[in-house]
Amino acid sequence: RKEVEQDPGPFNVPEGATVAFNCTYSNSASQSFFWYRQDCRKEPKLLMSVYSSGNEDGRFTAQLNRASQYISLLIRDSKLSDSATYLCVVIGYGGSQGNLIFGKGTKLSVKP
Amino acid sequence: GAGVSQSPRYKVAKRGQDVALRCDPISGHVSLFWYQQALGQGPEFLTYFQNEAQLDKSGLPSDRFFAERPEGSVSTLKIQRTQQEDSAVYLCASSPQQNSPLHFGNGTRLTVT
Repeated sequence: RKEVEQDPGPFNVPEGATVAFNCTYSNSASQSFFWYRQDCRKEPKLLMSVYSSGNEDGRFTAQLNRASQYISLLIRDSKLSDSATYLCVVIGYGGSQGNLIFGKGTKLSVKP
Repeated sequence: GAGVSQSPRYKVAKRGQDVALRCDPISGHVSLFWYQQALGQGPEFLTYFQNEAQLDKSGLPSDRFFAERPEGSVSTLKIQRTQQEDSAVYLCASSPQQNSPLHFGNGTRLTVT
């Protein structure tokens, strides 16, 4: 089992749809979790942190389920501009790779 | 404010050439990471520095790859005798401390012909 796994997609959704991505991690000692967004031919940019109690930022909601070892990202009322690849990042893995592991990303395409 | 700066933005090298990629992290950031990203893939870890110390280089694909950060600020990733499979985007990222989220540079796109 890979350390951090994401469904690669692509997720093709119409504008206004609600879409959710999951990311699973294998190490229960993981401490911090983030979602990054990466546009085509651009660098990854931090979208939001993921807190234990769940957190929301506008149309975006992030949740953490420690028991099942997954994090999720929910996008409501999706916009064309949400089209990108969404990367989950797990920190505190146990000393290797600077304590930080990236998923391979989930591609989202929002259509008019 | 100044972000992470990488140069060159694009590099074309002939197979067998040596290349050097530069990363200027955000001032004061302790941690510095190098990643390799192939088209359609997530960033793959190469190496990690905390100040000038290279704490993890387990992701470097071969001994042709070498990274340094001699004064704990600017870092250079060097690839010797480049091969076609080295073609990728090389991303540098920094963070103020361990376990903080990363700030990425815009990458160097290396094409080996």
